[in-house]
Amino acid sequence: GQQLNQSPQSMFIQEGEDVSMNCTSSSIFNTWLWYKQDPGEGPVLLIALYKAGELTSNGRLTAQFGITRKDSFLNISASIPSDVGIYFCAGLPGAGSYQLTFGKGTKLSVIP
Amino acid sequence: DGGITQSPKYLFRKEGQNVTLSCEQNLNHDAMYWYRQDPGQGLRLIYYSQIVNDFQKGDIAEGYSVSREKKESFPLTVTSAQKNPTAFYLCASSTGPYQPQHFGDGTRLSIL
Repeated sequence: GQQLNQSPQSMFIQEGEDVSMNCTSSSIFNTWLWYKQDPGEGPVLLIALYKAGELTSNGRLTAQFGITRKDSFLNISASIPSDVGIYFCAGLPGAGSYQLTFGKGTKLSVIP
Repeated sequence: DGGITQSPKYLFRKEGQNVTLSCEQNLNHDAMYWYRQDPGQGLRLIYYSQIVNDFQKGDIAEGYSVSREKKESFPLTVTSAQKNPTAFYLCASSTGPYQPQHFGDGTRLSIL
């Protein structure tokens, strides 16, 4: 099946620093989604991207849909302690497939 | 408030028992999904349903069963045939098959 490579697997950053993580695929996706999961909770949708080249912001978060439709990145600016958690990318191939494919997540730790 | 409710939060199963995990949504979403999450892994699709009285197998359906008798409800049964059931189970819903999915807070299943 399709696979998403998400990197880095984990990162430790100082409070106030900017963060960047990305997902790549060998297949084309028509929709890219970014979720955040806190321990013991379900993932929460952060940003949805529907068009190649699209750049979307949600507060301090910015995500882009790669022009080749095979990649996406998420940036977090001026990190704060509550940014701690696991960030997942997910892709929807589009017509003909209903299945979201998830990356394995990036675990973010913020040092106060 | 609209949302997805999963119950119970924690569930323990004895060897050889079937257990049923509840998922209810009041978002008026047509599509519902069940995922399994293991430590350090992305989410893997067990079953999904696009409409009442219809459901499809996902990537790891063996040892699981579902029903969709009402739009609001999509219970998952973990049968005794599932040999490694210990995991975090997440239910999700979406307005349609190609729309972002929204998640409940999960049920953690453990074996006694």
